[in-house]
Amino acid sequence: DIQMTQSPSTLSASVGDRVTITCRASQSISSWLAWYQQKPGKAPKLLIYKASSLESGVPSRFSGSGSGTEFTLTISSLQPDDFATYYCQQYNSYSVTFGGGTKVEIK
Amino acid sequence: EVQLVESGGGLVKPGGSLRLSCAASGFTFSSYSMNWVRQAPGKGLEWVSSISSSSSYIYYADSVKGRFTISRDNAKNSLYLQMNSLRAEDTAVYYCARDKAVAGSGLDYWGQGTLVTVSS
Repeated sequence: DIQMTQSPSTLSASVGDRVTITCRASQSISSWLAWYQQKPGKAPKLLIYKASSLESGVPSRFSGSGSGTEFTLTISSLQPDDFATYYCQQYNSYSVTFGGGTKVEIK
Repeated sequence: EVQLVESGGGLVKPGGSLRLSCAASGFTFSSYSMNWVRQAPGKGLEWVSSISSSSSYIYYADSVKGRFTISRDNAKNSLYLQMNSLRAEDTAVYYCARDKAVAGSGLDYWGQGTLVTVSS
């Protein structure tokens, strides 16, 4: 099975900061990677799909990049609503795997 | 408006069974692959199972293979998860989620989740 490793697991940042979260796959997944935001007690929300495509309705301060085994999610200017936990997710033909999550906290 | 509403969660003893349902509305259910994803209390997301639009392709996580069965009824716009031989480690909120139009492009709509607690 493909393993997904996210880093850091926790990130402390201030409003207005540029934030970058990394996700590494144990083998190449081409661009089959998605990013989600989850707030406490809520279902995850799709932010980015196919590594770099912005989901409809998601603010443009969110962006994704990468291919193969290394991917990043960037928030260009952190807003109060962005404090949450972020997950990457890979898809291959037979299974889906999520990363362990990155909690973005207020500094 | 796309809606996914899970039901069927509850408290069950180890070794017991439970059947989860997910009622879909607001889109052509029969055109989309569907998934179950779970989240143990205080933990991360874990994919459980996927089923293609016509039920031709079904996949499971190793952790549930042989114990859980995913199914769907396109006439009733419903997704199901039959869970047998439940263990304490199956305790989690279970979400149903829709694949984007192109499978593998992310899960674009999620239900609110239903809590399954496995305990004696």
